[in-house]
Amino acid sequence: DGGITQSPKYLFRKEGQNVTLSCEQNLNHDAMYWYRQDPGQGLRLIYYSQIVNDFQKGDIAEGYSVSREKKESFPLTVTSAQKNPTAFYLCASSIRGYYNEQFFGPGTRLTVL
Amino acid sequence: GQQLNQSPQSMFIQEGEDVSMNCTSSSIFNTWLWYKQDPGEGPVLLIALYKAGELTSNGRLTAQFGITRKDSFLNISASIPSDVGIYFCAGPPTDSWGKFQFGAGTQVVVTP
Repeated sequence: DGGITQSPKYLFRKEGQNVTLSCEQNLNHDAMYWYRQDPGQGLRLIYYSQIVNDFQKGDIAEGYSVSREKKESFPLTVTSAQKNPTAFYLCASSIRGYYNEQFFGPGTRLTVL
Repeated sequence: GQQLNQSPQSMFIQEGEDVSMNCTSSSIFNTWLWYKQDPGEGPVLLIALYKAGELTSNGRLTAQFGITRKDSFLNISASIPSDVGIYFCAGPPTDSWGKFQFGAGTQVVVTP
């Protein structure tokens, strides 16, 4: 079955540690996205990538980093510079950027202890 | 980035009732999307709209692309318990290339 997978489902981190969230898709989509979701707020864009080896900052990129070495994979690293990293993180993909529907993975809940 | 204005924030309804919600923006959209999200899960795409005035159904769900291209509406008819969840709108405004905007969501609670 085609889809988007995110791992792990739950992640706990101590303050000062970097952590990497995995996102893989087998939909052959060109574009991939990372969003952060906080209670009562709309999704906020962290980073997005339209093609391999290229990515752009979203609205809240500070304290995060990404890579896009393969079409299928778009890992997100939450660095110690992110002041309030506890949140629900969602990865999405679309056939190509902008006008196409985005399809979401199941999410990763990150908790900083 | 600017987010969409979605209302109502929550709805408590009885099984069998209809539900309506809407999203508005000051920007013009070429695409409107409606998603449903269950607690702790990723959003699932329900309906996609591509043309002003378009009315599209998916089972008991009906969505419309506003003629001004700045708003969209979602209706759920004859609600059932499994309709419980958060529904939100999304789309790419024409003045913000590459970035979607999202509504904060409407929480729907259905009581028997």
